Amino acid sequence: KAGVTQTPRYLIKTRGQQVTLSCSPISGHRSVSWYQQTPGQGLQFLFEYFSETQRNKGNFPGRFSGRQFSNSRSEMNVSTLELGDSALYLCASSLGQVRHNEQFFGPGTRLTVL
Amino acid sequence: AQKVTQAQTEISVVEKEDVTLDCVYETRDTTYYLFWYKQPPSGELVFLIRRNSFDEQNEISGRYSWNFQKSTSSFNFTITASQVVDSAVYFCALSEAGRDDKIIFGKGTRLHILP
Repeated sequence: KAGVTQTPRYLIKTRGQQVTLSCSPISGHRSVSWYQQTPGQGLQFLFEYFSETQRNKGNFPGRFSGRQFSNSRSEMNVSTLELGDSALYLCASSLGQVRHNEQFFGPGTRLTVL
Repeated sequence: AQKVTQAQTEISVVEKEDVTLDCVYETRDTTYYLFWYKQPPSGELVFLIRRNSFDEQNEISGRYSWNFQKSTSSFNFTITASQVVDSAVYFCALSEAGRDDKIIFGKGTRLHILP
């Protein structure tokens, strides 16, 4: 069974640009969560999608958005990039509710904003 | 408020020593879930264990064991006879049942196992 895949693995952008990251969950998993990991703030929850609906959202500005498609694949978009958005963005999939199910994480997309 | 504290930022031990990683949590809910994840140098987080607040039984899985104590709001993780492959960052996390399905992570403990 293929694991969670994230593309691209590395990305370099400049301030003001926008970026889209992609996540393909494990086959059969309907929940996809996104996290931002930085040395200073650690791992922070961004949002979770389940069956194409955003179920939960963390404390991030509206520049961070996402969506989920009917095949459970998810995309995350960050508009008007800031230097502080440089981070490792992790995607995780699970069968259902995160608290009741094991989350499987992808390798992450490392975003660098110059 | 929901909070997870991992006071140990970095620990180094020599191979074959036992090591305990501390995790203290804060929650107002009576029903909640605690997790441990491992992040090896490759970057992918790996799920280790999930425990709900009604199950205070300690758990052992091979060289890994977990000590859950509600009285002290702690969920500590012990590695027995550590190995170099155990070198990683370990995260403790909390999810409250009464809230939306969010997981709050601690800042992590970086564990170095020295050969």
